[in-house]
Amino acid sequence: SQQGEEDPQALSIQEGENATMNCSYKTSINNLQWYRQNSGRGLVHLILIRSNEREKHSGRLRVTLDTSKKSSSLLITASRAADTASYFCATVLIQGAQKLVFGQGTRLTINP
Amino acid sequence: EAQVTQNPRYLITVTGKKLTVTCSQNMNHEYMSWYRQDPGLGLRQIYYSMNVEVTDKGDVPEGYKVSRKEKRNFPLILESPSPNQTSLYFCASSFGTGANSPLHFGNGTRLTVT
Repeated sequence: SQQGEEDPQALSIQEGENATMNCSYKTSINNLQWYRQNSGRGLVHLILIRSNEREKHSGRLRVTLDTSKKSSSLLITASRAADTASYFCATVLIQGAQKLVFGQGTRLTINP
Repeated sequence: EAQVTQNPRYLITVTGKKLTVTCSQNMNHEYMSWYRQDPGLGLRQIYYSMNVEVTDKGDVPEGYKVSRKEKRNFPLILESPSPNQTSLYFCASSFGTGANSPLHFGNGTRLTVT
């Protein structure tokens, strides 16, 4: 099964509302990254949070990391139609090959 | 403009006809990687390269080959494509090992094998 699993699989909200997506993982990580993918396009990096960090901000994005619960959340505030996309978390394990393992993503739809 | 360029964007081919998908990056990145994306299976790594002449298998390498003769290029080769290789393919690159730096993705190659 995937190391990182996003929840929910799909989310639909009204423009202006906040969107929260969660990511859970199974084994200890070095860092966790969030990516956005517009339909059929390449993924775009949003935020990297290291295992010793608890929260990071970038514009309207806020990412939290709780290593005790092995979970992370991505909050998008004041959502816009342009935020409609799929959002993926990706983890780098402490053990083994240093590579990103992607979850299956949350499909976010912002309704105007 | 810093970017990862893949070609072609779309490719339809027949079983057994060798093909190459090119990938080039202009950011002097050491690390490059190929992924395939399939519905319900997410993004899976095919091969990666830590530097010139250094390549290694990812999670789903069967049926694929790669080479890294120059730092900027990392072509993906399908010697004998089969229908189960129909997928959306992405090339990506980053500084360092690829684990502690953001990955930069190309725009994808949609491959259909009939």
